[in-house]
Amino acid sequence: AQKVTQAQTEISVVEKEDVTLDCVYETRDTTYYLFWYKQPPSGELVFLIRRNSFDEQNEISGRYSWNFQKSTSSFNFTITASQVVDSAVYFCALYFGGSGGSNYKLTFGKGTLLTVNP
Amino acid sequence: SAVISQKPSRDICQRGTSLTIQCQVDSQVTMMFWYRQQPGQSLTLIATANQGSEATYESGFVIDKFPISRPNLTFSTLTVSNMSPEDSSIYLCSARLSRVETQYFGPGTRLLVL
Repeated sequence: AQKVTQAQTEISVVEKEDVTLDCVYETRDTTYYLFWYKQPPSGELVFLIRRNSFDEQNEISGRYSWNFQKSTSSFNFTITASQVVDSAVYFCALYFGGSGGSNYKLTFGKGTLLTVNP
Repeated sequence: SAVISQKPSRDICQRGTSLTIQCQVDSQVTMMFWYRQQPGQSLTLIATANQGSEATYESGFVIDKFPISRPNLTFSTLTVSNMSPEDSSIYLCSARLSRVETQYFGPGTRLLVL
C-alpha cells in the first residue's frame, strides 16, 4: 500500500516570509515517483515538480525548492519570499512502478492550504 | 506535456438527472483517469479509462453510477448518473503520456446538484 501524509492542513504567512510544506510518504516499492501540484482558487491542478526515487538531488526553480530525503521518506517543498499569488492548496502525490494492482496510480495527500497575506 | 480540456466547466443539475463530462487531450496518451474532489477534500480516483475496453473502477465506484467511455487515445467521457446532492463535486480528467511520465490534469468540471 502507498500513502502520502501532509500533516499541515493550513498555513498562514505574511508576504516575503519563507514557508515549508511537509510531505511524508509510504511505499514498499523501490521505484516510485513523487509530485507536487498547486491548486489555486480557480480549481485547476498545476504540476510543479516530479522526482523519481533514484534521484535524490534537491531542486530549485526560482523561489521554489524541493528537498527529497529517502532516509526519512520526505519530499518537502519550500517557497522563498512568499507572494500573495502563492496562495493555493498544495498537494503532494506518489505513484510507484512495481507489480500489483495499484501500481502507477497516483495517490494524493490531503493537501495544505497556504494563505499568504499582504 | 499534455494539455487537457474539459466540457462543461460547470453545471447545476437537478436530482435524478445525468450529466456527461467530456475530456479532450491534445496528444495521444496511454493513460487517462477520472477523479472526484469533494468540497474541501483531496482528489479521489474514480476509474482508469481504458481505450477500447471497459474502465477499471476503484473501490466504492461502479459503472452504473459513473459510466466511462474512451473511444480513442485522446478523448474520454464520464457520466454521473441519477445524481443526488452528494455528487456535488469537482470532477477532473487526467492523463499521462506513458506509465512513467508526469500526470496532467484538466481544469475540472464543477458540478452542483440541487
